[in-house]
Amino acid sequence: GENVEQHPSTLSVQEGDSAVIKCTYSDSASNYFPWYKQELGKRPQLIIDIRSNVGEKKDQRIAVTLNKTAKHFSLHITETQPEDSAVYFCAASIGTGGFKTIFGAGTRLFVKA
Amino acid sequence: NAGVTQTPKFQVLKTGQSMTLQCAQDMNHEYMSWYRQDPGMGLRLIHYSVGAGITDQGEVPNGYNVSRSTTEDFPLRLLSAAPSQTSVYFCASSLQADRPQHFGDGTRLSIL
Repeated sequence: GENVEQHPSTLSVQEGDSAVIKCTYSDSASNYFPWYKQELGKRPQLIIDIRSNVGEKKDQRIAVTLNKTAKHFSLHITETQPEDSAVYFCAASIGTGGFKTIFGAGTRLFVKA
Repeated sequence: NAGVTQTPKFQVLKTGQSMTLQCAQDMNHEYMSWYRQDPGMGLRLIHYSVGAGITDQGEVPNGYNVSRSTTEDFPLRLLSAAPSQTSVYFCASSLQADRPQHFGDGTRLSIL
């Protein structure tokens, strides 16, 4: 079945620096890769997503890259701010056949002011 | 729209008790899923449904049952609660599996 590995589990950066979180997936049939942000005690919320026919997508300070050959995708946050502190989850979805969305274990990001 | 509504928000059970966690969405989404969230383990898929009358198992289905009699509702049943099922449970819905998921606020469940 699908497996998603996420690294690092914890990341601490200085305000204004960049943060990078990496994920790998196992099922080559995966075609949709969302990223969710979860603040303490809150529900996960989508921040950006990418499909398998796209290599990179950017939304202001957030970008995601996808390498289908390596089955690898990454989240990049530039000019980090204290309000970026949260847990970030990557996920991989199979739109046909399996219809499953499998999540990585999460990365706790600390942005120090 | 209320989005995804989960009830109850908190629950304490004794080992062996049964319980149903409720989930309802008003966005006419076909895809619904249940996750449990444990420290350091992310969100693990319990069961999911691609439409009314269709359900399937996720990564950790043992000890849980689901049904999908309507598009709106997707209840999760614990047949005989065990301490290992202590967790935060999230329900989510989306138009399809490969679309953004909308999560409920979660149910914090403790089993003594």
